[in-house]
Formats: sequence, structure tokens, C-alpha cells
Amino acid sequence: DIQMTQSPSTLSASVGDRVTITCRASQTISRWLAWYQQKPGKGPKLLIYKASSLESGVPSRFSGSGSGTEFTLTISSLQPDDFATYYCQHYNSYGTFGQGTKVEIK
Amino acid sequence: EVQLVQSGAEVKKAGESLKISCKGSGYGFTTYWIGWVRQMPGKGLEWMGTIYPGDSETRYSPSFQGQVTISADKSISTAYLQWSSLKASDTAMYYCARHRGYGEPNDAFHIWGQGTMVTVSS
Repeated sequence: DIQMTQSPSTLSASVGDRVTITCRASQTISRWLAWYQQKPGKGPKLLIYKASSLESGVPSRFSGSGSGTEFTLTISSLQPDDFATYYCQHYNSYGTFGQGTKVEIK
Repeated sequence: EVQLVQSGAEVKKAGESLKISCKGSGYGFTTYWIGWVRQMPGKGLEWMGTIYPGDSETRYSPSFQGQVTISADKSISTAYLQWSSLKASDTAMYYCARHRGYGEPNDAFHIWGQGTMVTVSS
């Protein structure tokens, strides 16, 4: 099975900061990778698919990059609404999620 | 509006059976795969499996194969997740979610249900 490993597990940042979250696959997954945002008590929201395609309605401060085994989610200027937990997911064959990265207020 | 509406919270005892539902509306129900995702209390997301309502083709994560059954009734645009014998460790929030692409079995989850909380007491 393909394992997805996110880092860091927790990230403390301030409004306006540039934030980067990394997701590594245990074997190559081409660009079959999505990023989701989840807030407490809510279901996840799709942000990025195919590693770098921005889902409609998602602010342009979110971007994704990478291919193969290493991927990143970048928030160019962190906003108050962005404090949440972020998950990567590979979706070629089984849809394995990473363990999540909590972005908290510094 | 495209949406998935899940059945309400359940409180069950270990050993009981359960079937929760996810009703799709606002799109062609038979032409998009629908998956199920588990989130145990305070934990991350786990992909359980997915079904194509058009022909009920189903794919399971190895971790959940044999533990749950995913099904769909296209006549009422509803997908299901069921257990024959619940365990306390099945206590979790369960989300259904529709794949993003038309007919795509390997895809990101675009539309999510509101979640169904299942609590199993031992």
C-alpha cells in the first residue's frame, strides 16, 4: 500500500505568513494528489486536485505543486479563515490520506 | 444545487447491525462515484471505499474490506454504508463524498455530505 506522510504535524503561524506543508508518498503517484481543508466540526473541503489545479471558488493564495513522490501546499499569505487542519490524499487506486497538518495561531 | 445529505446520528450497542445512508441530488447520481471516509474522534481521515451507482461496481480499502459493505440504490439516488456486527472501535464520524470527475473511479472528493456520527457502546 502507498503511504502518505505529511510534515509538519502542527504548524504555528501568524496572519500574513507564507505557509508550506509537505506531503510525501512512499512510491510514485504521478500527480494524483489532492489537498483538503477541514475546520473543527465540519467536513473537509477540496482545495487542490491533480497536485496543482485549484478547485473553483478556492482563493488564489492557495497553490499546490509537485509530482512523483513529493508535493507541497502553499498558502501565500495566511488569513484568519485559514487556521484549520489540512490533509493530502493520493487517489490513484485507493484513496489514502496523509495524517494531517494542523495550522494554528502563533 | 449539488448536494449529499446523510442520515442522522446513530447510537448502537456492540454486535448490532447498522446501515447509514447518503442521498445525492442536483446531479446525475448514476454517473459519479461516491466514496465513504471514516474519521475517528480526534483523528484523521481514512478512505474506506467507493461505489459507482450506475452499475454498483465497488472498490474497498484493504483496511475495510470485509468489515463494511458499501451499496447503492440508484432508483432513490442513495448510497449506503453498512455493518453486520458493530464494534466499539467503529465509533466515528462517517462522511460520504462524491468524486470530482464524471465516471472517474480514481478521483478527488469534490462534494461532501455533512457526516453521520456513529457511537457504539460496548
